[in-house]
Amino acid sequence: DGGITQSPKYLFRKEGQNVTLSCEQNLNHDAMYWYRQDPGQGLRLIYYSQIVNDFQKGDIAEGYSVSREKKESFPLTVTSAQKNPTAFYLCASGPGVYSNQPQHFGDGTRLSIL
Amino acid sequence: GDSVTQMEGPVTLSEEAFLTINCTYTATGYPSLFWYVQYPGEGLQLLLKATKADDKGSNKGFEATYRKETTSFHLEKGSVQVSDSAVYFCALVWRETSYDKVIFGPGTSLSVIP
Repeated sequence: DGGITQSPKYLFRKEGQNVTLSCEQNLNHDAMYWYRQDPGQGLRLIYYSQIVNDFQKGDIAEGYSVSREKKESFPLTVTSAQKNPTAFYLCASGPGVYSNQPQHFGDGTRLSIL
Repeated sequence: GDSVTQMEGPVTLSEEAFLTINCTYTATGYPSLFWYVQYPGEGLQLLLKATKADDKGSNKGFEATYRKETTSFHLEKGSVQVSDSAVYFCALVWRETSYDKVIFGPGTSLSVIP
């Protein structure tokens, strides 16, 4: 079955440490997205990518970085500059530009501070 | 600016009660509209969609009609079950100049009690 795989499901970060969240999709989608969800709140866009080797900042990109070297993969790095990283992180993919189609989501990674 | 507004939760209903979750939007152009559902600890799943005015999306007993005149996409179900307890997100997608922009509402938490 096609879908989006996020790993790990739970992740802990120490002070001053960078951590990387994995997102892989086999839906052959051009576009991929990272969202942050805080308790009781909606989704906020961190970064998105419409095509390989290109990505754009979303609404809350500070303290995060991404890469898009392969169509299937869009890893997110939470850097030490992100002072409040505890949240639920969701990766999504979609057919891409001008599709007006819904995004498909992974099951999320819950990041906590040690 | 463009936005999605949902009724505030949490909503608590008894089993077999009628459900309505209101969603209104502000957007330029003609967006596609979606409802997503999020069960505890999981990612978002697409529940239903509508891509043009007067379209009715339906799935698993849930329905929503795209009302352009009132810019609304209210979610309804005639008889809720305990298994419908989740957070429901209204979302819209439309074309920006070079990408598909997605905006999610803040989510409405639903609890169904036996």
